Amino acid sequence: GAVVSQHPSRVICKSGTSVKIECRSLDFQATTMFWYRQFPKQSLMLMATSNEGSKATYEQGVEKDKFLINHASLTLSTLTVTSAHPEDSSFYICSARDPTVYEQFFGPGTRLTVL
Amino acid sequence: AQKVTQAQTEISVVEKEDVTLDCVYETRDTTYYLFWYKQPPSGELVFLIRRNSFDEQNEISGRYSWNFQKSTSSFNFTITASQVVDSAVYFCALSENFGNEKLTFGTGTRLTIIP
Repeated sequence: GAVVSQHPSRVICKSGTSVKIECRSLDFQATTMFWYRQFPKQSLMLMATSNEGSKATYEQGVEKDKFLINHASLTLSTLTVTSAHPEDSSFYICSARDPTVYEQFFGPGTRLTVL
Repeated sequence: AQKVTQAQTEISVVEKEDVTLDCVYETRDTTYYLFWYKQPPSGELVFLIRRNSFDEQNEISGRYSWNFQKSTSSFNFTITASQVVDSAVYFCALSENFGNEKLTFGTGTRLTIIP
C-alpha cells in the first residue's frame, strides 16, 4: 500500500517558538493532503485541506495565520505552528490523497509538546 | 452537515469474548463512504475497512466483521474471539464522494481486552 511519512515524529519546544511538521507521500503524487489534530483522548478533527500549488482551505475555528500550510510539491505538505503555546500541544496527523485509487493514506503522526 | 456518533466511550471485555462497536452516522449525501480505523497506543491510524453507500453487504475479514444498515444509518463493527492485541481506540469515519475527501470522525471507542 501507499506510504505517507511525517517528520518529526515527536517534538518538544518552548512556548513562543515555531515548529514545522512535514508530510510526504513516498510512492505516489498527492494533489491533496489533509491535516488533522487530535487532543489527548479525543477524536481527530480536520484542521485544513492542503492543495498543491494553491492556498489551503481551513476549517472553521482554525487560525490560518497560526497554522501555516504549504503544499509546494506533489509529494510534500508542511504545517508550521507559529508562536506555539502549551494549548497547541497535540497529536498532528496528515493524510494524503492518491487520486489514482480514490483513497487517502495516513501518516504516523507527530506529537507536539509545547512547554 | 455530516456527523458520526460512537456512543460507547469505553468497553472492556475478557479475552475470547465477542464485542461489537457501534457507529451511527448522519449525512445528506446519497454517495458517501464509511470507514473504521484502529489506533493503538503508538498513535498511528490503522485502516480496517472502507464501505461505500451503495454496498450494504456485510463483510467478514478473519475475526472482524462489519454490519452496514442504511435503514438505521449504522455501520457496526464486531470482533469475535477477542485478543489482547485488539486493545486500542477504534474510530468510525465518514466521507463524501469517492472516499478520498476529508473525513469526519466519531469520538472513538476505547476497547480494552482483559487477559
